[in-house]
Amino acid sequence: AQRVTQPEKLLSVFKGAPVELKCNYSYSGSPELFWYVQYSRQRLQLLLRHISRESIKGFTADLNKGETSFHLKKPFAQEEDSAMYYCALSGPGANSKLTFGKGITLSVRP
Amino acid sequence: DGGITQSPKYLFRKEGQNVTLSCEQNLNHDAMYWYRQDPGQGLRLIYYSQIVNDFQKGDIAEGYSVSREKKESFPLTVTSAQKNPTAFYLCASKSVYQETQYFGPGTRLLVL
Repeated sequence: AQRVTQPEKLLSVFKGAPVELKCNYSYSGSPELFWYVQYSRQRLQLLLRHISRESIKGFTADLNKGETSFHLKKPFAQEEDSAMYYCALSGPGANSKLTFGKGITLSVRP
Repeated sequence: DGGITQSPKYLFRKEGQNVTLSCEQNLNHDAMYWYRQDPGQGLRLIYYSQIVNDFQKGDIAEGYSVSREKKESFPLTVTSAQKNPTAFYLCASKSVYQETQYFGPGTRLLVL
């Protein structure tokens, strides 16, 4: 069974501070990992996926297969980063289901 | 993501009543999904459909039903058997050629 764990419900930091949102997963095989973000009054949307290896809005995430983790990081948080963040996992293939973690609220204070 | 619409934005259900949530997409996506979002629970998959006239149960399908008669539409019915229907419901769709799911704006269901 595939499972995603986000151990924290809330992270509150000051503007300019580093941010790390933790995500651990359980999957027997090679998973696809994603971070989705939901800003206030906006739709849930993809932030980044591990396979693309890109930085979006200053965020990066590295898949660590040894630690089964996919933590989301940003060196300097901005107020507009305040949102709900979900880590998600799917198996390979177009028909795989997406399993979400419980989400974490990031609050960036001025 | 502007290609996925959900209606209504708010829906009220009385005891013993079935209600249907609408989800329409014009993205030509084959796959469509229904999730339930509760505070502290994240998103949980209710039903999904990979192709017209076919659908599968997700993790929490009890008390819900769906149909997929058209590629563009994937309505969700919350039946009277669902004892705790109050939640935010999200619809999503995906192309078979991509891994990214695109989400609608959601419907909030409240019980009177």
